[in-house]
Amino acid sequence: DTGVSQNPRHKITKRGQNVTFRCDPISEHNRLYWYRQTLGQGPEFLTYFQNEAQLEKSRLLSDRFSAERPKGSFSTLEIQRTEQGDSAMYLCASSLAENEQFFGPGTRLTVL
Amino acid sequence: LAKTTQPISMDSYEGQEVNITCSHNNIATNDYITWYQQFPSQGPRFIIQGYKTKVTNEVASLFIPADRKSSTLSLPRVSLSDTAVYYCLVGPQGNTPLVFGKGTRLSVIA
Repeated sequence: DTGVSQNPRHKITKRGQNVTFRCDPISEHNRLYWYRQTLGQGPEFLTYFQNEAQLEKSRLLSDRFSAERPKGSFSTLEIQRTEQGDSAMYLCASSLAENEQFFGPGTRLTVL
Repeated sequence: LAKTTQPISMDSYEGQEVNITCSHNNIATNDYITWYQQFPSQGPRFIIQGYKTKVTNEVASLFIPADRKSSTLSLPRVSLSDTAVYYCLVGPQGNTPLVFGKGTRLSVIA
């Protein structure tokens, strides 16, 4: 257990539905990252926050995806109008500034 | 960011030393080499980081030759619990975000 928690651990949804995932980082960590991992691939960066500010977004983050970190603590990642290609493991990580990133266990999304 | 190349998979018996080599021919002067480990259904976990020569911690050793165009992660006396995917990353220290390749899937056999 790294101290980063993610909920839910698994989510099954039908195509076209909206889903929201939550990440609770290590409490003193000011940076929070979201990655996506598909089968057989390494994690791919989606976006990251420093405190409540979203500093960088990958081109993978289409307009159906939105992430928030309203009070600089937990973060949510929402996917609207899910597609089968969104099926993946969504990983959250946190760090203190540019130090080591600690990953959570991930949320596995299956879109039917 | 420098591109990395590592074997797709490796097999080893318990108790053996395992060496996983990563090629990074275009490594930049300010790049560090970092290795992560990922177990099934878990997020990646930092193992070790180095810039040159040799770094050792309680988990592994990292060997980096003088030209820094490759590096070798050495796991001493592996056990079944070392079965995982190992990723080699190259970039400036504190690089954000992390860029992962496909990694090396290590299977340890009893």
